[in-house]
Amino acid sequence: DTAVSQTPKYLVTQMGNDKSIKCEQNLGHDTMYWYKQDSKKFLKIMFSYNNKELIINETVPNRFSPKSPDKAHLNLHINSLELGDSAVYFCASSPRPLESGELFFGEGSRLTVL
Amino acid sequence: AQSVTQPDIHITVSEGASLELRCNYSYGATPYLFWYVQSPGQGLQLLLKYFSGDTLVQGIKGFEAEFKRSQSSFNLRKPSVHWSDAAEYFCAVGGGSQGNLIFGKGTKLSVKP
Repeated sequence: DTAVSQTPKYLVTQMGNDKSIKCEQNLGHDTMYWYKQDSKKFLKIMFSYNNKELIINETVPNRFSPKSPDKAHLNLHINSLELGDSAVYFCASSPRPLESGELFFGEGSRLTVL
Repeated sequence: AQSVTQPDIHITVSEGASLELRCNYSYGATPYLFWYVQSPGQGLQLLLKYFSGDTLVQGIKGFEAEFKRSQSSFNLRKPSVHWSDAAEYFCAVGGGSQGNLIFGKGTKLSVKP
């Protein structure tokens, strides 16, 4: 069983479209994250939810909206896609806001905006 | 501000040779330190972590890392590299109440036959 699963794994779309990426974890963790990895492999936190409550919201355009229907799911919706949104988006989870734990990552969703 | 520096962007070693990947951090308190590995097209997998105690920590796949507070370093080592170790390696620091991990920019490891 995959611990942290993301769908879709690949997404190619046109500028201006709206798209969503879904994430589910079956580890029973309380905290979930979205990270963005750019073309130079740099990983940066975007959002974090703890038990469905938003706890980290980095400087991200408000075209990006996370939604956590329950603590096992954290989805990412992106409106009006731009070329610069092309990246790999990683979902991750941890047992609690990371004070002593580790992050468990999904395999990533590669978004290409044309 | 918290930060992680991995000075080497790309390292090439011969199979069977030893490896050391460097990591320096800047953090206001006692850090939690991590090394992750990312194989091509894959997510990140935890290699090892340091929270407290013994400054030499053992991880999976034969990797180890040593925490040196005086040098603000957490270098990753492996005595004998295998071709399957070719990947991107990320050092990370964490420990804030919000639970975020801050990553270095990664070091790409290539292994020569």
